[in-house]
Amino acid sequence: KNQVEQSPQSLIILEGKNCTLQCNYTVSPFSNLRWYKQDTGRGPVSLTIMTFSENTKSNGRYTATLDADTKQSSLHITASQLSDSASYICVVTPSGGSYIPTFGRGTSLIVHP
Amino acid sequence: DTAVSQTPKYLVTQMGNDKSIKCEQNLGHDTMYWYKQDSKKFLKIMFSYNNKELIINETVPNRFSPKSPDKAHLNLHINSLELGDSAVYFCASSGRDRNTEAFFGQGTRLTVV
Repeated sequence: KNQVEQSPQSLIILEGKNCTLQCNYTVSPFSNLRWYKQDTGRGPVSLTIMTFSENTKSNGRYTATLDADTKQSSLHITASQLSDSASYICVVTPSGGSYIPTFGRGTSLIVHP
Repeated sequence: DTAVSQTPKYLVTQMGNDKSIKCEQNLGHDTMYWYKQDSKKFLKIMFSYNNKELIINETVPNRFSPKSPDKAHLNLHINSLELGDSAVYFCASSGRDRNTEAFFGQGTRLTVV
């Protein structure tokens, strides 16, 4: 069964600090791995998309890395801002079959001033 | 100009009723989706439509039926609503390539009483 596990479940940091969120998955082979940001009461917004052949992708202060050998991905947030407070969701889409994506349960990040 | 719009934003209804949620995208995308987010914020894909053809149908009850009058619209019809259907439903769209970014609507919070 395809699984995506995210850690930590929740994280509290001070404004200006960096943080790293983790995503471990069992989906294999996979087509892509995505990181989404979901603000409270809003729909998810795509941060990065990586195919199996990519090992890093940046989007401003967000940098995602991918290690296909260990089936791990991380999302690094640099110089956090209050607006980074949100849920961050890792999603892995398999290649072949019905391409049904598997979602992680998300990491809830709170940035304090 | 909203890229993916859903209506209504909130929907409160009684058990046993039939309801619809509308979704429209103005991005010219080929594929549209419906997702369900439960009370624990866990997202799960329900349906995907590509050029009016259902290409992913997650194991959802047949009380749920997606209807696409054209490429820009994918509506969700729900018959005989149950308490367990209470959740936030998100519509999304993306290009034909499964490695492209998906854009989500703002969500419809459905409460069945």
